[in-house]
Amino acid sequence: SAVISQKPSRDICQRGTSLTIQCQVDSQVTMMFWYRQQPGQSLTLIATANQGSEATYESGFVIDKFPISRPNLTFSTLTVSNMSPEDSSIYLCSVTGLAGGTHEQYFGPGTRLTVT
Amino acid sequence: GDSVTQMEGPVTLSEEAFLTINCTYTATGYPSLFWYVQYPGEGLQLLLKATKADDKGSNKGFEATYRKETTSFHLEKGSVQVSDSAVYFCALRRGAAGNKLTFGGGTRVLVKP
Repeated sequence: SAVISQKPSRDICQRGTSLTIQCQVDSQVTMMFWYRQQPGQSLTLIATANQGSEATYESGFVIDKFPISRPNLTFSTLTVSNMSPEDSSIYLCSVTGLAGGTHEQYFGPGTRLTVT
Repeated sequence: GDSVTQMEGPVTLSEEAFLTINCTYTATGYPSLFWYVQYPGEGLQLLLKATKADDKGSNKGFEATYRKETTSFHLEKGSVQVSDSAVYFCALRRGAAGNKLTFGGGTRVLVKP
């Protein structure tokens, strides 16, 4: 498996502001994803981060609210824009397509966001 | 659309007890099935998987069998330890490895000494 790190690990933000979350992988991967885990709930896919092109968003998520970048095969960012308390969640990066042939999805440790 | 249903928790057990977490799914075709575990304060870890009917995934004493006829993938462990206390998520993936995972709601398991 890969080592996946996320920054920050947690943050407390005021409503109306934006936060950018970074995801770094220690090896090249084919695909990167961003998930949201709301308090006490399961994981929901926000979008697939595509290298060099616009991310592919799931129903209910839009680029203006969750802009995503993926400049290379090991790094991606997710921005949560114009935050409200409803955005308080854990945001997780996941990857698949590691060198060596494994095709399973592996997850980063998550970023715990609290919006006040 | 695809969906995964898990038994609601929390499930509270004594050490060395038998654990079963039920998981059923709805999906077209033949999805791959997964169990992920989230220990307190940590991210999700892949626990086990099965990619076709009657496959049995196993890891760390946990087992789950892909039952196409009942669209189920129940997780079992014969003798739990305190260190097994975590949230367990059942998930499915249709198609290729790059396709998204659809998760169940998660089941919190608490093992008491």
